[in-house]
Amino acid sequence: DAGVTQSPTHLIKTRGQHVTLRCSPISGHKSVSWYQQVLGQGPQFIFQYYEKEERGRGNFPDRFSARQFPNYSSELNVNALLLGDSALYLCASRPDTGTGGGGTGELFFGEGSRLTVL
Amino acid sequence: AQSVTQLGSHVSVSEGALVLLRCNYSSSVPPYLFWYVQYPNQGLQLLLKYTSAATLVKGINGFEAEFKKSETSFHLTKPSAHMSDAAEYFCAVSLYSASKIIFGSGTRLSIRP
Repeated sequence: DAGVTQSPTHLIKTRGQHVTLRCSPISGHKSVSWYQQVLGQGPQFIFQYYEKEERGRGNFPDRFSARQFPNYSSELNVNALLLGDSALYLCASRPDTGTGGGGTGELFFGEGSRLTVL
Repeated sequence: AQSVTQLGSHVSVSEGALVLLRCNYSSSVPPYLFWYVQYPNQGLQLLLKYTSAATLVKGINGFEAEFKKSETSFHLTKPSAHMSDAAEYFCAVSLYSASKIIFGSGTRLSIRP
């Protein structure tokens, strides 16, 4: 079975540009979360989506947005890129319960999209 | 609010020695606790999780962790380190109904030959 897949794996942008990152969850998983991992730090929660609805948002500016599609895939968009947005962006899915809550909480991660902002 | 603190950003042990990575958590209610491992240029892989069943949790690759409520700790151990254990390890916490998992800052484990 395919795991969580993310694209692109690497990309370089310049300040002020925007970027779209894509994620396909494990088949059957309805919940997708996005995390930002700056070099040398732990992942920081950005968003969680369940059944196309936002279920959680971390402490990130409005330049960050996301959405989930009917097939449960997801996009993360970042506008007006700053140098500080350079990071590994991780997508994770999990087999949430019908409430969209955490369940046992286990996340299955993709290998990430490494964004460099120059 | 929940949080985790990982003591020691870098731990180095000899091959065959005991591995001990420390994690303390803060939560107002019994949490779920996790250890994840990240190899270079890869995503995170779950090692083990505590979900209020047995306090001693066994995971993959010979790792285990013990939940100690009195000490608010969830330390990760492995009796004998192997070269392939070299990686970054993250402790994490969540609540049952939470939409997010909160990660610690990570501990880089190095193995000396």
